[in-house]
Amino acid sequence: SAVISQKPSRDICQRGTSLTIQCQVDSQVTMMFWYRQQPGQSLTLIATANQGSEATYESGFVIDKFPISRPNLTFSTLTVSNMSPEDSSIYLCSVEDTDTYEQYFGPGTRLTVT
Amino acid sequence: QKEVEQNSGPLSVPEGAIASLNCTYSDRVSQSFFWYRQYSGKSPELIMSIYSNGDKEDGRFTAQLNKASQYVSLLIRDSQPSDSATYLCAAPLTGGFKTIFGAGTRLFVKA
Repeated sequence: SAVISQKPSRDICQRGTSLTIQCQVDSQVTMMFWYRQQPGQSLTLIATANQGSEATYESGFVIDKFPISRPNLTFSTLTVSNMSPEDSSIYLCSVEDTDTYEQYFGPGTRLTVT
Repeated sequence: QKEVEQNSGPLSVPEGAIASLNCTYSDRVSQSFFWYRQYSGKSPELIMSIYSNGDKEDGRFTAQLNKASQYVSLLIRDSQPSDSATYLCAAPLTGGFKTIFGAGTRLFVKA
C-alpha cells in the first residue's frame, strides 16, 4: 500500500482567502482523488486528478473554486479558493491501485474558515 | 436506489460479541467490494476487500458477498472496544473511474 502525506494537517483561514493543500505519495500512481468530509458525514468526492490530463470534477464542484494540479505521478495540490465558512471541512486525498481498486488515504487536512 | 447503502447506526454490541455490518448495492457498481474503518478524527483505512461470492476471513474479520441478493457484510468476531469506529462499505462504479462509498455505520463496542 502507498504512504501518503498531506500538508498542512490543519489550518484556520479567514473568509475570502485561499488555501492550497498538498498531497505527496511515496510511489508513482495514476489515479488520485480529492474528497471532502463534513463532521459525522461520509466522503464526498470533489474531483479525480490524473497526471497529464485535466481534473474531472463531480457535480457541485467547479474548477474556479477548487483548482487542482497534478504535475507528476507522486504529487497533487487542491486549492480551496475564496473560502467561506461553508468550506470548513476535512479534505482528504487518496490514491487507487488500478488493478484492485483499493484506495489509500492521506491523513487529511482539517480546514476551519472564520 | 443509491449505488451503495448502509444503515448509519449506531450499532452497539458488548465486548466479545459478534458485530454484523451490512451493505446493499445496486447494479451500477462493479463486483469488487471494500470495507474501510475510520476512527474519529482519522482518515479511512482499508481493512477488507472481497471480489468473489462467499466468505473471506482475515483474523477476527470476515467479509461475506452475496451477489444474488446484492449485499455484502462484515462480521467482527470477539469485538473489542478498539473496534469502535465508523465502517464504510465501498465499491467502484461499473466502468471504473470512481468509487462509491456508503454513508458508514457507526459501531460502539461496550466494555
